[in-house]
Amino acid sequence: GENVEQHPSTLSVQEGDSAVIKCTYSDSASNYFPWYKQELGKRPQLIIDIRSNVGEKKDQRIAVTLNKTAKHFSLHITETQPEDSAVYFCAASLPSFSGGYNKLIFGAGTRLAVHP
Amino acid sequence: KAGVTQTPRYLIKTRGQQVTLSCSPISGHRSVSWYQQTPGQGLQFLFEYFSETQRNKGNFPGRFSGRQFSNSRSEMNVSTLELGDSALYLCASSWTSETYEQYFGPGTRLTVT
Repeated sequence: GENVEQHPSTLSVQEGDSAVIKCTYSDSASNYFPWYKQELGKRPQLIIDIRSNVGEKKDQRIAVTLNKTAKHFSLHITETQPEDSAVYFCAASLPSFSGGYNKLIFGAGTRLAVHP
Repeated sequence: KAGVTQTPRYLIKTRGQQVTLSCSPISGHRSVSWYQQTPGQGLQFLFEYFSETQRNKGNFPGRFSGRQFSNSRSEMNVSTLELGDSALYLCASSWTSETYEQYFGPGTRLTVT
């Protein structure tokens, strides 16, 4: 079935600490895994993504890892700052009947609070 | 380059009415996907259009439909509105169906009374 589980649902850290959010997907056909950040009242913003032929990707303080065998992928934020406070969504792509991969199945979201 | 735009931003409708929402993708993007966001169900895929053709569809009733025009702008329509249709409707654009990166618009907040 089409399902992405995301944990934890809420995460509270002190400024400067690291934050880790984990997701598990169910469909082995998934080959693209984006992460979105959504601040209150704003649109989801693509912050990093990884494709199935890559195990890890890093962009400054943000990194994503993928374990295809276990169907797990994780978001790592280091040196957290108050402006990192938001809801983070993981997603997994699914192929369409006509070959596209733009159907994203989202996790339920993690509300991250970074305290100064 | 301008981002994804959606109109209207807010809408209040009555049960039984129908509504049409519009999405203009990033210039050059030809794929538009629609998502429904609610506190209870999260972000759920509605459908995707590419080159005026529906490429994929989510698990929503037939009351939800869409279309795409030759300039890649897309509309979605919901007929016979129900209270449960109250949600934030987001569209996302991408270059094609195979380039993966999707960029979201600000959404249309639909309230059904």
